[in-house]
Amino acid sequence: NAGVTQTPKFRILKIGQSMTLQCAQDMNHNYMYWYRQDPGMGLKLIYYSVGAGITDKGEVPNGYNVSRSTTEDFPLRLELAAPSQTSVYFCASSQTGIGEAFFGQGTRLTVV
Amino acid sequence: QKEVEQNSGPLSVPEGAIASLNCTYSDRGSQSFFWYRQYSGKSPELIMFIYSNGDKEDGRFTAQLNKASQYVSLLIRDSQPSDSATYLCAVSNTGNQFYFGTGTSLTVIP
Repeated sequence: NAGVTQTPKFRILKIGQSMTLQCAQDMNHNYMYWYRQDPGMGLKLIYYSVGAGITDKGEVPNGYNVSRSTTEDFPLRLELAAPSQTSVYFCASSQTGIGEAFFGQGTRLTVV
Repeated sequence: QKEVEQNSGPLSVPEGAIASLNCTYSDRGSQSFFWYRQYSGKSPELIMFIYSNGDKEDGRFTAQLNKASQYVSLLIRDSQPSDSATYLCAVSNTGNQFYFGTGTSLTVIP
């Protein structure tokens, strides 16, 4: 009964480093999303995918990349980390794209 | 720019009272409307969803949708201290994207 699993839960990066945030879902959902949430703010969409092999930009894609080679996995890549990318990142999935979105537990990223 | 607006609060209500949370959205093509609850340091969890104009009730929660006014609300009856959290309004459009408001912080005072 895992749902949406994100790893790692916490990470500290130095400016200029790169990393990949992992997201996996076991519900066979077609739609997957990456959001970031800054303190006191709502969720901003970074990238989304409507199925394996298909990805598209959201509201705040700069500095990030994604891939979707399988239905289950949707990793988010940060290249050349910047302090502005300090945030909590949530991965979510949805069966239909207009139905309920299920969230992972989040990754708290700090760039110093 | 598709926007979802919420009053950030904080909203404080006494235990047992009705809490009323409001949300407006800009995209008339929006199809689905959701209320998520988020406890501090946790991920959002779905409370209610509504697709059609009118009211939808689930236990102590009632969602209300008025598409003509582009307005969606959440009423929490008999508010409990455990309801203290941030409530996020979310809207889904034909592009299969979910847009979130900034959330309303609710505190229920025992």
